[in-house]
Amino acid sequence: DGGITQSPKYLFRKEGQNVTLSCEQNLNHDAMYWYRQDPGQGLRLIYYSQIVNDFQKGDIAEGYSVSREKKESFPLTVTSAQKNPTAFYLCASSIDLTGFSSYNEQFFGPGTRLTVL
Amino acid sequence: KQEVTQIPAALSVPEGENLVLNCSFTDSAIYNLQWFRQDPGKGLTSLLLIQSSQREQTSGRLNASLDKSSGRSTLYIAASQPGDSATYLCAVRKRQLTFGSGTQLTVLP
Repeated sequence: DGGITQSPKYLFRKEGQNVTLSCEQNLNHDAMYWYRQDPGQGLRLIYYSQIVNDFQKGDIAEGYSVSREKKESFPLTVTSAQKNPTAFYLCASSIDLTGFSSYNEQFFGPGTRLTVL
Repeated sequence: KQEVTQIPAALSVPEGENLVLNCSFTDSAIYNLQWFRQDPGKGLTSLLLIQSSQREQTSGRLNASLDKSSGRSTLYIAASQPGDSATYLCAVRKRQLTFGSGTQLTVLP
């Protein structure tokens, strides 16, 4: 059963804490992405990765960090430097990073809702 | 910078009605456009992907069109059902996806 899993589903963070959100995919996709969604808004890109050990900042990378040690895994750390982290976080993957491939749909995980206490 | 707009922000229709959701984008130099469905508190489900060279794509009761030169796409839903109630997002891709804010659709039984 192929797909993208994210954990945990809900996460609570205290002020000053770093927290890590997990994203795993078994689709054999090269590219992976992290998005943030705020109420009533579209998704904004935080980080993306085209290949293992390589990743690039998206539009709102400040206060976040990522790693890509394995093809299947792309964890996101929300650091204490992120001043307004309460949001819904979505992980996605696609076959590759380019827009040319006719198969280059992005597929999404179920999301993690992060709340700052 | 690419901007994607979806109008209306919310739409309520009676069951059985055909409806059209609109998406416009400012930079026509895109590779493809993707329509997604999002249920409350859930991730996104890909509905249709249209390549920049295509004019439309169909899947069941859904038909998406693309007019790249005018920066517009529409998602047509035929014979709407209460189960179609969700937020529909469009996203255009150059190197990365740029999303609209979505249209929240409610289909009344």
